[in-house]
Amino acid sequence: GQQLNQSPQSMFIQEGEDVSMNCTSSSIFNTWLWYKQDPGEGPVLLIALYKAGELTSNGRLTAQFGITRKDSFLNISASIPSDVGIYFCAGPRGLHQGAQKLVFGQGTRLTINP
Amino acid sequence: DAGVIQSPRHEVTEMGQEVTLRCKPISGHDYLFWYRQTMMRGLELLIYFNNNVPIDDSGMPEDRFSAKMPNASFSTLKIQPSEPRDSAVYFCASIIGGGTGVGYTFGSGTRLTVV
Repeated sequence: GQQLNQSPQSMFIQEGEDVSMNCTSSSIFNTWLWYKQDPGEGPVLLIALYKAGELTSNGRLTAQFGITRKDSFLNISASIPSDVGIYFCAGPRGLHQGAQKLVFGQGTRLTINP
Repeated sequence: DAGVIQSPRHEVTEMGQEVTLRCKPISGHDYLFWYRQTMMRGLELLIYFNNNVPIDDSGMPEDRFSAKMPNASFSTLKIQPSEPRDSAVYFCASIIGGGTGVGYTFGSGTRLTVV
């Protein structure tokens, strides 16, 4: 089952507004990942975080790895129509010879009104 | 690089029929994952392979589900017999071992509808 709690589940905003979403876990993760899923497509990696406290930006996206290693947030500044989609946080669980399987949050569905 | 290729993109079938979903991972990736996405349960890992060998199938919901990887460039997920509750989007993803998930590449998915 799900081990990551993501909020909010959905957001309806106006174009140009900033967006903030977060993800929490009851257990520690050593890596946090943020993915975006466009309608009808598979998730695509946006940002990867590897260190507690790390703040990483990718264009208008900014993500932070919480100090406790149990949470992360993603901000999108000055939203545009192509930001529409579902955003997922994810963390690796399990280890097999160096590769790890991902656990996903429930997703935040972003809708933008032009 | 053509990415992870899944087929078909859409599948509509009647309850009780056998369904086969197909995946071609990125060349050189030695791990392959099958995920299922539903509104209720989100993205769930069903099974994953390393070098064509199934490593963990604990996420496979029932014996009706089976997956194979006969070679490094092809995998199938089969549901027999299919039921309406199997309706979901099924994703395949691949990665080169040794990563933290950064290298995960997902296919575009197969939307399965069982009526």
